[in-house]
Amino acid sequence: QLQLQESGPGLVKPSETLSLTCTVSGGSISSNSDYWGWIRQPPGKGLEWIASVYYSGSTYYKPSLRSRVTLSVDTSKNQFSLKLTSVTAADTGVYYCVRHPQIFGADTYNWFDPWGQGTLVTVSS
Amino acid sequence: SSELTQDPAVSVALGQTVRITCQGDSLRNYFASWYQQKPGQAPVLVIYGKNNRPSGIPDRFSGSSSGNTASLTITGAQAGDEADYYCHSRDNSGNAFGGGTKLTVL
Repeated sequence: QLQLQESGPGLVKPSETLSLTCTVSGGSISSNSDYWGWIRQPPGKGLEWIASVYYSGSTYYKPSLRSRVTLSVDTSKNQFSLKLTSVTAADTGVYYCVRHPQIFGADTYNWFDPWGQGTLVTVSS
Repeated sequence: SSELTQDPAVSVALGQTVRITCQGDSLRNYFASWYQQKPGQAPVLVIYGKNNRPSGIPDRFSGSSSGNTASLTITGAQAGDEADYYCHSRDNSGNAFGGGTKLTVL
């Protein structure tokens, strides 16, 4: 059974860089049909997709976050990572890593499954 | 702000049928996926594609789409279905979520 687990600091100072890693177990991050993504949820609010990456390194980002986000993949460790620079209090929330399968063709769609348990990141001095 | 619009709250009597809707231009081109989130837990996928249920999701959950509207229908709602429900779809900017619908089972 595929499982994802986030890891990283729970507290980040304003203007610094948030760094999280997702470890994938029970399957390979090098799957042909799967992207791997990050989604966040501010306290008491809804879900926001941040970005997704393919094992080859191909990425796509939410436009409003594009300038601050970097995703990377380490296939040898079956991990992928998120870096978010110049954080502010607005970046506080639970960060989830997800498998992000993509279907292209006559019907193009994608979905997120499974999700990691999530990790709370607080931006505060 | 979300480009997918959901009603903030919906209620249903125990055992009855409820439809949760999601509106947005991207739904004319892409299928929606739906997620159930209970307090303190990570979201769980319940519907994806045309009307696909992941393993372990009861068949009382179903999805449909027409024009710019996607719908999640729960037939015979149970107390355990009380949760927040989010729709999602691919869009021209990447991916978008609806603002979520809080489902109350009375």
